[in-house]
Amino acid sequence: KAGVTQTPRYLIKTRGQQVTLSCSPISGHRSVSWYQQTPGQGLQFLFEYFSETQRNKGNFPGRFSGRQFSNSRSEMNVSTLELGDSALYLCASSLEAGAVTGELFFGEGSRLTVL
Amino acid sequence: AQSVTQLDSQVPVFEEAPVELRCNYSSSVSVYLFWYVQYPNQGLQLLLKYLSGSTLVESINGFEAEFNKSQTSFHLRKPSVHISDTAEYFCAVSPRGHSTDKLIFGTGTRLQVFP
Repeated sequence: KAGVTQTPRYLIKTRGQQVTLSCSPISGHRSVSWYQQTPGQGLQFLFEYFSETQRNKGNFPGRFSGRQFSNSRSEMNVSTLELGDSALYLCASSLEAGAVTGELFFGEGSRLTVL
Repeated sequence: AQSVTQLDSQVPVFEEAPVELRCNYSSSVSVYLFWYVQYPNQGLQLLLKYLSGSTLVESINGFEAEFNKSQTSFHLRKPSVHISDTAEYFCAVSPRGHSTDKLIFGTGTRLQVFP
């Protein structure tokens, strides 16, 4: 069974640009969550999608957005990039949004560098 | 609201020595507890979890963690570490009855095992 796939793995952008990251969850998983990982802040929850609907959103500005498609694949977009957006962006999938076992399956992440 | 504190950002240890990675949490409601591990250049993987029942939980690779409600702790231990255990370890909590979007991570502890 294929794991969570994130593309691209690495990318470099300049301030003011925008970026789109893609995540394909494990087959059969309908919930996709996004996290930002930085050395100083650790893992910060961005948002979760289930059945093409955003269920919950973390404390990030509106420049961060996402969506989920009917096949459960998800994208996140960051507009007007700032230096502080440099981070590893992790996508995680789970079977159901209502799952309480806490087992998230993570991809390897997309490492974004903003110059 | 919940919070997680991992007191040690780095733990250096020699191979075959015992190790303990500390995790304390704060919550006004009952919680589920988790340890995730992140190997270099990879996403996070669930190591072990406490949902209910026995307060001592074990992983397949020799780690164990004990839920201590009175001390609000969930420390991770291994009696004899291996070079391959070098990774970053994240403690996480979620309130009982809630979905994975409520998973709160600690800032991580980097375990470095030396030969």
